[in-house]
Amino acid sequence: EAQVTQNPRYLITVTGKKLTVTCSQNMNHEYMSWYRQDPGLGLRQIYYSMNVEVTDKGDVPEGYKVSRKEKRNFPLILESPSPNQTSLYFCASSQQGRDGYTFGSGTRLTVV
Amino acid sequence: GQQVMQIPQYQHVQEGEDFTTYCNSSTTLSNIQWYKQRPGGHPVFLIQLVKSGEVKKQKRLTFQFGEAKKNSSLHITATQTTDVGTYFCAGGGGSYIPTFGRGTSLIVHP
Repeated sequence: EAQVTQNPRYLITVTGKKLTVTCSQNMNHEYMSWYRQDPGLGLRQIYYSMNVEVTDKGDVPEGYKVSRKEKRNFPLILESPSPNQTSLYFCASSQQGRDGYTFGSGTRLTVV
Repeated sequence: GQQVMQIPQYQHVQEGEDFTTYCNSSTTLSNIQWYKQRPGGHPVFLIQLVKSGEVKKQKRLTFQFGEAKKNSSLHITATQTTDVGTYFCAGGGGSYIPTFGRGTSLIVHP
């Protein structure tokens, strides 16, 4: 089944403790993106990647890192999480963006 | 950078009434995509419009792309409770990296 898999689905962590949210897609898509969703603010792009080893900042990249060492994986790294990073995170992938994005099921992160 | 404004933020309708959400961009778009997110779910791609003035239909849903490629709309005829959710437009520039609007949450009262 074609899908984008995110892990974990839920995570509660403490301020400053490094964490990684994994994202993997099995559709051989070139484009991958990370979004955060907050009430009333819609989907805001954190980082995106147009191919292996090619990443760029989205609208809200501060406090986040990404890497794209393989085509299928696009992990999101929070080196020192803070409470304002409490949010619902989505990973998405697309074949060059031309046919829409397939989203993962989301990761609900709480930083206390 | 590119901004995509979407209105209204919320819309309450009685089942059977029509619904429309509007999307406006400050710049000319190369394409517009529409997504639906059910409560507690993730966004699901519905459709993409590329041509100026394009109109596409999916059953009771009608999507339009403006002549100037700066605005778009999604119209649902005779809403049903299964239409409940948040509808997002996403405007694309030349690189097909879309900018999402804030979404319109549709609430359908039976």
